[in-house]
Amino acid sequence: GAGVSQSPSNKVTEKGKDVELRCDPISGHTALYWYRQSLGQGLEFLIYFQGNSAPDKSGLPSDRFSAERTGGSVSTLTIQRTQQEDSAVYLCASSLVRVRGKEKLFFGSGTQLSVL
Amino acid sequence: QQQVKQSPQSLIVQKGGISIINCAYENTAFDYFPWYQQFPGKGPALLIAIRPDVSEKKEGRFTISFNKSAKQFSLHIMDSQPGDSATYFCAASGGTASKLTFGTGTRLQVTL
Repeated sequence: GAGVSQSPSNKVTEKGKDVELRCDPISGHTALYWYRQSLGQGLEFLIYFQGNSAPDKSGLPSDRFSAERTGGSVSTLTIQRTQQEDSAVYLCASSLVRVRGKEKLFFGSGTQLSVL
Repeated sequence: QQQVKQSPQSLIVQKGGISIINCAYENTAFDYFPWYQQFPGKGPALLIAIRPDVSEKKEGRFTISFNKSAKQFSLHIMDSQPGDSATYFCAASGGTASKLTFGTGTRLQVTL
């Protein structure tokens, strides 16, 4: 596709339920990031995938959060036993990595997660 | 040391005026400083970026000023337009901080 695609765009769930958020990166982009954007907060790094390397999970806030990237393309972020503090916009970004941290990130429009 | 502090949180500027957003950092190893622009309902998009070997970078109406000794950098939007109304994020990376650290964002509103 032309850009990074995320689905669903909005997700309302009940506390304690599991949710899955999907990201389709730009074709050919080897790096994929998940960020969380809470109201009034900056972009909080969650996880980074690069090719076949082990993902950088250092930003995941708890073991309720996990992510996978299948076939070096589509990624799914899973939040188990959701809590109200998980409510946020979850953003996915992809890039052609030359030097990590210095590449241009292409963001999707995000998934607005609301936990009731 | 990984934090990037951004101010102001919100800013209202009249059309034609200059918008100025400031960021400060602590990590002296940071060597890449981008600014991202985010419109409502959209993801952030790279606007302009600077390396510390220059003190200023200009692209159209957007200028980054960089003060290495003060560990500060700022975004100036000249002749601000209503279409510039968005949230702006500064960010930094470098050294052992191989991923971008973002500021908390500035919501800019340009009025007619």
